[in-house]
Amino acid sequence: DQQVKQNSPSLSVQEGRISILNCDYTNSMFDYFLWYKKYPAEGPTFLISISSIKDKNEDGRFTVFLNKSAKHLSLHIVPSQPGDSAVYFCAASPNEKLTFGTGTRLTIIP
Amino acid sequence: EAQVTQNPRYLITVTGKKLTVTCSQNMNHEYMSWYRQDPGLGLRQIYYSMNVEVTDKGDVPEGYKVSRKEKRNFPLILESPSPNQTSLYFCASSLLQTGPLGANVLTFGAGSRLTVL
Repeated sequence: DQQVKQNSPSLSVQEGRISILNCDYTNSMFDYFLWYKKYPAEGPTFLISISSIKDKNEDGRFTVFLNKSAKHLSLHIVPSQPGDSAVYFCAASPNEKLTFGTGTRLTIIP
Repeated sequence: EAQVTQNPRYLITVTGKKLTVTCSQNMNHEYMSWYRQDPGLGLRQIYYSMNVEVTDKGDVPEGYKVSRKEKRNFPLILESPSPNQTSLYFCASSLLQTGPLGANVLTFGAGSRLTVL
């Protein structure tokens, strides 16, 4: 039972455009959501998070939106840069345990 | 430098030969966890520990053991590895925070790629 789903395994975006990565969840007990970024041969690194008491959180070029009624969150990257090419995992948490999605491979085309 | 260190980074072994993947963190984190990453399945939690001598099963614990005798170390033990344990393994650690004002922001190691023949 996949409680956190990333339905797009891959996404290609032109450099300078907006990248939108999506994530859906099923467990209404999740109250904190995170995005991690992973480069090849490295461990995932934390990117941005949002708590369930907010619907938007920004950090530079990265913005995460949370729609609790739809159980959906999205990560917007604007403008997209070549260094953003990586695998992105969303994760959700009701407590100390994080549940991860399957990941989306983002490729930025120069 | 704050980090999580895993060893070995790469290992090829044979079915049934016991192996241990070590994990050490230097951030005084209470929480440590092991994940495996497989194509199409994302990161799945194997075991986690909220403090010394406190460990619990994650989503896919079968075939694995862990121990937490010291705060900084959290080794993953495969007593009798099988080919279905061929995977990329990540150790991670964090401070222990829960609830809508914070959650585990995990720091991950670089990964250990294990192949069981």
